[in-house]
Amino acid sequence: GAVVSQHPSWVICKSGTSVKIECRSLDFQATTMFWYRQFPKQSLMLMATSNEGSKATYEQGVEKDKFLINHASLTLSTLTVTSAHPEDSSFYICSARGYWTVNTEAFFGQGTRLTVV
Amino acid sequence: GQQLNQSPQSMFIQEGEDVSMNCTSSSIFNTWLWYKQDPGEGPVLLIALYKAGELTSNGRLTAQFGITRKDSFLNISASIPSDVGIYFCAGLRPGTASKLTFGTGTRLQVTL
Repeated sequence: GAVVSQHPSWVICKSGTSVKIECRSLDFQATTMFWYRQFPKQSLMLMATSNEGSKATYEQGVEKDKFLINHASLTLSTLTVTSAHPEDSSFYICSARGYWTVNTEAFFGQGTRLTVV
Repeated sequence: GQQLNQSPQSMFIQEGEDVSMNCTSSSIFNTWLWYKQDPGEGPVLLIALYKAGELTSNGRLTAQFGITRKDSFLNISASIPSDVGIYFCAGLRPGTASKLTFGTGTRLQVTL
């Protein structure tokens, strides 16, 4: 149980275009989903927290107009990187928590490698 | 954002050896988690700790929640090649709306 799936696993896009990444909880309802960014050989940095049906809360320094997050249902959250630029190239990872894991562990998706050319 | 201090940064060990790594902070944590991340994959939860002093095992892995609530340790016994990867600690601080703080990671390489 507690499987989180991200799609796509990797994507290459042209500079200036937008890219959408999906995060789904497959076998549980995710009350909260988190989006992280990870640069090579670095740790995970939290970008934003999203709760179903409400606006996402962004971490300091993360542009909310550039990284659009939608959490329309209890099993799906999307991250859209708008007007992507090469510096947005990174590994994006989502995690999800269910009702029974509130304030405890989170389960991660497999990540999405974004390359902007 | 804040990160936890994790050490060592990297380790090169021989198969069969035991491994120890730790995570420290100046802040108190309510929960400590240990994850393993393989290249190109998301982190996978190994062990979760919820009480100060708690010692929990998962196969060859053992982790402890420090008494001061400011640190945690992970030990791997009798390492095998598939233990290769990056290990991250993560903590949950009081009053942070369930947001995890991650450690800087320990890269483990195992030689035959």
